[in-house]
Amino acid sequence: EVQLVESGGGLVQPGGSLRLSCAGSGFTFSSHWMHWVRQGPEKGLVWVSRINHDGSSTNYAASAKGRFTISRDNAKNTMYLQMNSLRVDDTGVYFCTRDRAPATYDAPDIWGRGTTVTVS
Amino acid sequence: EIVLTQSPGTLSLSPGEGATLSCRASQSVSSGNLAWYQQKPGQAPRLLVYRASSRAPGIPDRFSGSGSGRDFTLTISRLEPEDFAVYYCHQYDSSPRTFGQGTKVEIK
Repeated sequence: EVQLVESGGGLVQPGGSLRLSCAGSGFTFSSHWMHWVRQGPEKGLVWVSRINHDGSSTNYAASAKGRFTISRDNAKNTMYLQMNSLRVDDTGVYFCTRDRAPATYDAPDIWGRGTTVTVS
Repeated sequence: EIVLTQSPGTLSLSPGEGATLSCRASQSVSSGNLAWYQQKPGQAPRLLVYRASSRAPGIPDRFSGSGSGRDFTLTISRLEPEDFAVYYCHQYDSSPRTFGQGTKVEIK
């Protein structure tokens, strides 16, 4: 079964740090671009960051630039999001997703169940 | 940044009726790199349509996507009880990727 499982969320004070992980299984993890998407409480979806299949290229939303770092370890089939200088408005459920087609950008098709980050 | 505006915000319909959801982009989305997702409370989004009109595997044929350039539509031909949910459009044509604010399809 193709799946993504996030972990690492929790309660943190403003200014603190968290490291989220996303483990992939059931597919060739190293072939797909990956993303983090946040959903605030009772709010819509917000794209946070993306990393290409081999980790050589990354992109961030303006709100994440300079504070968050996306990375991946293809040997471990795992993607990470290091979040520093956390703010109250970073609160939400963080989903990891993979792009549908290998080795290029495409629509995200597989989503994890999410991990909850609360900054308070 | 491409801003996606969805309308209406809420659609109140009965099972068996058809639904038409709109997504307008602030600039052209080239190659039709637009997707539609369904999300139910407490669940992750589910991909319905990609590349504006290609149905994702396992998605019933009552769901169809259309459009190009700046204007895109998701049509649900006959609403089933399990279709009442929030629907989001998403452009993956340019960075930053963006989502619409969502359309809630609720039971009338």
